[in-house]
Amino acid sequence: DTGVSQDPRHKITKRGQNVTFRCDPISEHNRLYWYRQTLGQGPEFLTYFQNEAQLEKSRLLSDRFSAERPKGSFSTLEIQRTEQGDSAMYLCASSLAISTNEQYFGPGTRLTVT
Amino acid sequence: ILNVEQSPQSLHVQEGDSTNFTCSFPSSNFYALHWYRWETAKSPEALFVMTLNGDEKKKGRISATLNTKEGYSYLYIKGSQPEDSATYLCAYRSGGGADGLTFGKGTHLIIQP
Repeated sequence: DTGVSQDPRHKITKRGQNVTFRCDPISEHNRLYWYRQTLGQGPEFLTYFQNEAQLEKSRLLSDRFSAERPKGSFSTLEIQRTEQGDSAMYLCASSLAISTNEQYFGPGTRLTVT
Repeated sequence: ILNVEQSPQSLHVQEGDSTNFTCSFPSSNFYALHWYRWETAKSPEALFVMTLNGDEKKKGRISATLNTKEGYSYLYIKGSQPEDSATYLCAYRSGGGADGLTFGKGTHLIIQP
């Protein structure tokens, strides 16, 4: 399978714990995006990378959230001191840096904070 | 704050019938409009990327139109089949270098046999 993959698919954690998610983009794609979807809403943009550079961050990305893409390939999204409001589906997408910027999504990581 | 609205929120359609739904978005600073289909437990699947006013795209029984001047796009499904049951999301991309997509809440389509 050469699509975008995400790991884990599901994560249950207790409030206050740290969690880290991983995204592996389509191999030739140089752009990588993180989105979050909460119940009843569409996906909301969090941040994106072009190669290893983090070029844009949403105001939704609080200080407890950090994303990295150290070698311009896979990316990690870490949430520190999780809160119940962090419960959501975290989606990763990748694209080529061309005008249409068609973004291809992974299956997401479902986070539940208890 | 960019506002992308989709209607209806949900839709039940009889198998074999055709249907359509709407996405409205800001008409200023438009760059592109994306449509995705998202089935439960799967990845959102890219359907169309549309950039030009008056553009019409087609993929099998699904087609979409775009009006950037008035800020809306329609998605049409002809002869609905049970496998068309999914949430259909539209997403707006503005100009000016911003690369993240702004999504609507989606239209949840259920095809009844």
